[in-house]
Amino acid sequence: QVQLKESGPGLVQPSQTLSLTCTVSGLSLTSNSVSWIRQPPGKGLEWMGVIWSNGGTDYNSAIKSRLSISRDTSKSQVFLKMNSLQTEDTAMYFCARYWRYFDYWGQGVMVTVSS
Amino acid sequence: EIVLTQSPTTMTASPGEKVTITCRASSSVSYMHWYQQKPGASPKPWIYETSKLASGVPDRFSGSGSGTSYSLTINNMEAEDAATYYCQQWNYPFTFGSGTKLEIK
Repeated sequence: QVQLKESGPGLVQPSQTLSLTCTVSGLSLTSNSVSWIRQPPGKGLEWMGVIWSNGGTDYNSAIKSRLSISRDTSKSQVFLKMNSLQTEDTAMYFCARYWRYFDYWGQGVMVTVSS
Repeated sequence: EIVLTQSPTTMTASPGEKVTITCRASSSVSYMHWYQQKPGASPKPWIYETSKLASGVPDRFSGSGSGTSYSLTINNMEAEDAATYYCQQWNYPFTFGSGTKLEIK
């Protein structure tokens, strides 16, 4: 069965870089696309970006300058790196498979930006 | 970027009541998807491509719409339907509505 699981630090200091990993099982990254989506506490969902099955990437224009998504197909992992973190980046971060819609989601990882 | 406006923001429904949640897009979109999220859980796909029910979704749910106006309807509200529902348009770049919190009376 398809599973996605996010991992990463729970606490990041302001101005630092966030690094998250999404480990997938039950699917191949060379034929599937994966997105990152975040949700600040008590708020709605924000699509961050996608790495397509061909390895190409697209990002939300609002955070494009700070965001990078990459992958290691041999390890079935997708990576998110976002720099210059601020308190407003505090959120639950989800990875999700994209196939015409987001049909499989990870459990999410909570990231708090605080000194 | 297409902006999605959901209404109402919050609502309360009694068991057995019919519920309709609306999602309006700032420009025409081909399809709308809907997700259900309960507290502390990840969003679940609920209705995709406007009207198709995701696996396991009760048939009291339905979706409809076209162009800039879409809706999710629940016939005969049940307690387990209490959740927050988000619409998401399928055009790139992807965007979500701000959510509708549905509570049970």
